[in-house]
Amino acid sequence: DAGITQSPRYKITETGRQVTLMCHQTWSHSYMFWYRQDLGHGLRLIYYSAAADITDKGEVPDGYVVSRSKTENFPLTLESATRSQTSVYFCASSEQEAQPQHFGDGTRLSIL
Amino acid sequence: ILNVEQSPQSLHVQEGDSTNFTCSFPSSNFYALHWYRWETAKSPEALFVMTLNGDEKKKGRISATLNTKEGYSYLYIKGSQPEDSATYLCAPGDRGSTLGRLYFGRGTQLTVWP
Repeated sequence: DAGITQSPRYKITETGRQVTLMCHQTWSHSYMFWYRQDLGHGLRLIYYSAAADITDKGEVPDGYVVSRSKTENFPLTLESATRSQTSVYFCASSEQEAQPQHFGDGTRLSIL
Repeated sequence: ILNVEQSPQSLHVQEGDSTNFTCSFPSSNFYALHWYRWETAKSPEALFVMTLNGDEKKKGRISATLNTKEGYSYLYIKGSQPEDSATYLCAPGDRGSTLGRLYFGRGTQLTVWP
């Protein structure tokens, strides 16, 4: 089915581990985004991408790495997880600027 | 970072009441204003994208207006229903940064009591 999917939906890991969150969209949208949702902060942008091989930092990029080798995939890697990275992570995509963003169902990540 | 303010932070109304909330943003470099509806335990869903000064959008009982010169947008809900309970986010885009990037406000949390 067409859409945007995130995996895993839930993940528990330990501090210091590397973890990768996957995001895949079937619309061939140019733009893709990673947000984190935290109480008191709303949605904060981590990284975004305007096209394959083009990525840029958002508001809270430290501790995260992204890549976009294919238009449909935009994985987010926590290189060495910390407890402060416990959050709900949302991936989104949009066709072009001034078009709505379509969000995945989110990944709930807990770092112990 | 764009300063986006939404008010009120939260709102409690009775079923059948009409309500409205505000989003204010810097008017320079503006190119689009998005509204999203975000239910608890779900992901945000797009309501409207507005680009023109004076633009008005409507979707059922929900409507929005835009003033780009003074930098604000209003969202109206007519005859609120319990299923309207959600957080409503606004997000302007800014030509000073990469097009496509949005700056989300913290939202207005609406609770509609039956």
